[in-house]
This record gives sequence, C-alpha cells and structure tokens, in this order.
Amino acid sequence: ETGVTQSPTHLIKTRGQQVTLRCSSQSGHNTVSWYQQALGQGPQFIFQYYREEENGRGNFPPRFSGLQFPNYSSELNVNALELDDSALYLCASSLGVAGERHEQYFGPGTRLTVT
Amino acid sequence: GENVEQHPSTLSVQEGDSAVIKCTYSDSASNYFPWYKQELGKRPQLIIDIRSNVGEKKDQRIAVTLNKTAKHFSLHITETQPEDSAVYFCAASIVDYKLSFGAGTTVTVRA
Repeated sequence: ETGVTQSPTHLIKTRGQQVTLRCSSQSGHNTVSWYQQALGQGPQFIFQYYREEENGRGNFPPRFSGLQFPNYSSELNVNALELDDSALYLCASSLGVAGERHEQYFGPGTRLTVT
Repeated sequence: GENVEQHPSTLSVQEGDSAVIKCTYSDSASNYFPWYKQELGKRPQLIIDIRSNVGEKKDQRIAVTLNKTAKHFSLHITETQPEDSAVYFCAASIVDYKLSFGAGTTVTVRA
C-alpha cells in the first residue's frame, strides 16, 4: 500500500506569483482534502475533491482552486500569492463512499514561503 | 461553522504519568472526532478516532472519551513515554469531511 505523497517539499515564491502544489492519494483512496497549516496552528480546511468534483470548501478566497484527476491525484493552485499564504500545505486522502467518508491520512506537506 | 477549542496548549508530564487533553466543539451535528499526532517537521498522523454513537474507545495506552451532551471529548494517554512527545490535534467533522481542528497541544514527556 502506497501512502500519500506531495510535491514539491519546499517552495519559495514572490508575492503576486502563482503556485501549483501536487498530491498523490493513498492507494485505493478516491477523496482528497487540502489544508493550510500556519506555523503553530492547527490545519485549516481549504476544500475537498471527490470523484473529480469539489465537494465542500472552507473559508478561502477563489484564488485558491483545485483539480482532481481520474487517478484521484490532485492539484492545489493559488493565484496572486500574498505574504499570509506562507504556510505548510497538507493534503489528506480518504476512501469516500456515497454519503459516508472514512479516516483521512495526511501527506508530508509542501512548505510554501512567499516573500 | 464548527469551532473546536483545545486545552491545554502545552502539557509537561513525567515519564510514566498520564496526560489528558480536552476539546470542545460547537456544532451538535458533528459526528466524527479524530486525534492526530504531529512530530516536528512531520505529517499529522491519525492515532485514534471516535464516532458519535460511541462514548469511549481505547487502543493500548491511548483512549478517547466523548460526551455528546456537553459537546466535549478528551484524549487520555497512560504510562507516557518520551516518544509520546509531540503536538496533538483534536478535530471534529460531519460525515468525515471538512475536519475542523483545534489549535494543538504540545506534549513534553520528561525522562
């Protein structure tokens, strides 16, 4: 069984730029959730993708967008980067069944620094 | 939306003693309560979870209790060991999605 993987590990961007982060879900999982974890805080839910469609969104602006592919891997895109976007971005995969979800397992995260 | 509060923010215990972390939640519809352990620079790891139809769950030295009426749940670690030192997060959700996390508890086990 393969665990959740993310790329890249670290990334440095300039304010105003755009970034794409990638996540491969655990083998057999069809649902991917993205979280932002600022230093010293708990993860904050960004959105979730289930069967290639957004299935719930947290309190994040539209410049945070995502995709899920047929193999259930996912991308998080952030446009017009701001200094406050500096954080650890975590994805978590789970097995979703209609109307029911299961445990979420996290990837190692991507550390994004915006200067 | 769901609001999860976690206490204490830091906890120092002597090796072999017990550690207790408490969380409260605001949305009575929440029905899934996982706990994650995050070591420095590593991913959050699911250590135990409980669903709203169960009042208590135990896995070796770790146990979680849930009081739906009071809307609070707790993590209990017995016979603490140095490797238990980490940041622990509680979370709550409805139907296992959109986990709302507490702010975390930094646990230090003194040898």
